[in-house]
Amino acid sequence: AQKITQTQPGMFVQEKEAVTLDCTYDTSDQSYGLFWYKQPSSGEMIFLIYQGSYDEQNATEGRYSLNFQKARKSANLVISASQLGDSAMYFCAMRDLYNQGGKLIFGQGTELSVKP
Amino acid sequence: EAGVAQSPRYKIIEKRQSVAFWCNPISGHATLYWYQQILGQGPKLLIQFQNNGVVDDSQLPKDRFSAERLKGVDSTLKIQPAKLEDSAVYLCASSLVIGLAGGPKLEENIQYFGAGTRLSVL
Repeated sequence: AQKITQTQPGMFVQEKEAVTLDCTYDTSDQSYGLFWYKQPSSGEMIFLIYQGSYDEQNATEGRYSLNFQKARKSANLVISASQLGDSAMYFCAMRDLYNQGGKLIFGQGTELSVKP
Repeated sequence: EAGVAQSPRYKIIEKRQSVAFWCNPISGHATLYWYQQILGQGPKLLIQFQNNGVVDDSQLPKDRFSAERLKGVDSTLKIQPAKLEDSAVYLCASSLVIGLAGGPKLEENIQYFGAGTRLSVL
């Protein structure tokens, strides 16, 4: 069974600083995808970044980067130059890429607060 | 491009009443998902459709929850009768496909979510 663990219920970061949100996963699948979503107070889940298990390079998307360490089964999200608008819940998720079931398995989330 | 549309945004009902949620996925997306997000937790899949067929409904409480996706586009999720523990945000998501052999393309695997329906059962 797949499992995602986010051990940081809440994080604080100063505006313009970088922050790392932790995510570890457990799976027996050979091919899987790892996703990060942002959920502001409005409730919508916003896709941020994706890493495939077969990708050798870490994914980057603007100020977001994913620190993928396959042997350690970790997929940490790094946000550089934090902005006030980054304050939100952040969810790490994974899914099997080839199985008919394409559901996302989510972690518990990390609440990020950016201080001015 | 329009995103995933959901309605209503909020709903308050009393226990044992029935309620229905509506979702319109992104145009052309074959796969549609309904997730339940209880306060303080990550979303959990209730049901997944591929076009108008059910792919996974193993976590759907079928004694009270039902869902359909007529004509492979819009979908409705119904709860009848509602219980207190059904209080949650119900999120609808869609994606182009489930997955491809030989190297799935990113854009085909991203699930895009709607704003959700926040249900309170009193």
